[in-house]
Amino acid sequence: GQNIDQPTEMTATEGAIVQINCTYQTSGFNGLFWYQQHAGEAPTFLSYNVLDGLEEKGRFSSFLSRSKGYSYLLLKELQMKDSASYLCAHPRDDKIIFGKGTRLHILP
Amino acid sequence: DSGVTQTPKHLITATGQRVTLRCSPRSGDLSVYWYQQSLDQGLQFLIQYYNGEERAKGNILERFSAQQFPDLHSELNLSSLELGDSALYFCASSVEAEDGYTFGSGTRLTVV
Repeated sequence: GQNIDQPTEMTATEGAIVQINCTYQTSGFNGLFWYQQHAGEAPTFLSYNVLDGLEEKGRFSSFLSRSKGYSYLLLKELQMKDSASYLCAHPRDDKIIFGKGTRLHILP
Repeated sequence: DSGVTQTPKHLITATGQRVTLRCSPRSGDLSVYWYQQSLDQGLQFLIQYYNGEERAKGNILERFSAQQFPDLHSELNLSSLELGDSALYFCASSVEAEDGYTFGSGTRLTVV
């Protein structure tokens, strides 16, 4: 996805914490999404940040710094079912632009 | 069930053929978006319709076209298919992009 950068792959251990970073270009910013996508399935909505700061939702939290063009998704108490791709995305011109996603592998 | 319905789930066809993918948006959503996801690529935006009108266009090939009907369902037509068109095609709907999308389960197209 244009103008959105996130690591291609990450590996973490079951029960641990992992942080997935995302940087984006700040022009015309209208908020930042995180989606989860299991292999071969549809993306599902995780979070949407418009203001700076951390938003917590159970085991998942998302952080945004608009001045730095930076966001991260924090996953705690990792479970095997968290093995998936995590997509950073932002709305632009009536559509959502997606990053290529970070494939997260969870080891037992 | 997300409320966005896509058919068919799987499609296998030969090069040079034409196929039609269908999407029914979630009740109340006026916008329909089509995305293509190839094996090593992210979600690539193809086209958006809002209440029957084309609103935004991405890197959609000339061989591809779409429309949205008065009942708000949408069809994506892919013609003169090539091997490289093999991908997952997702439809999503929303009220506005800032509300986030609800995705359908996708159509897996295999061109042989």
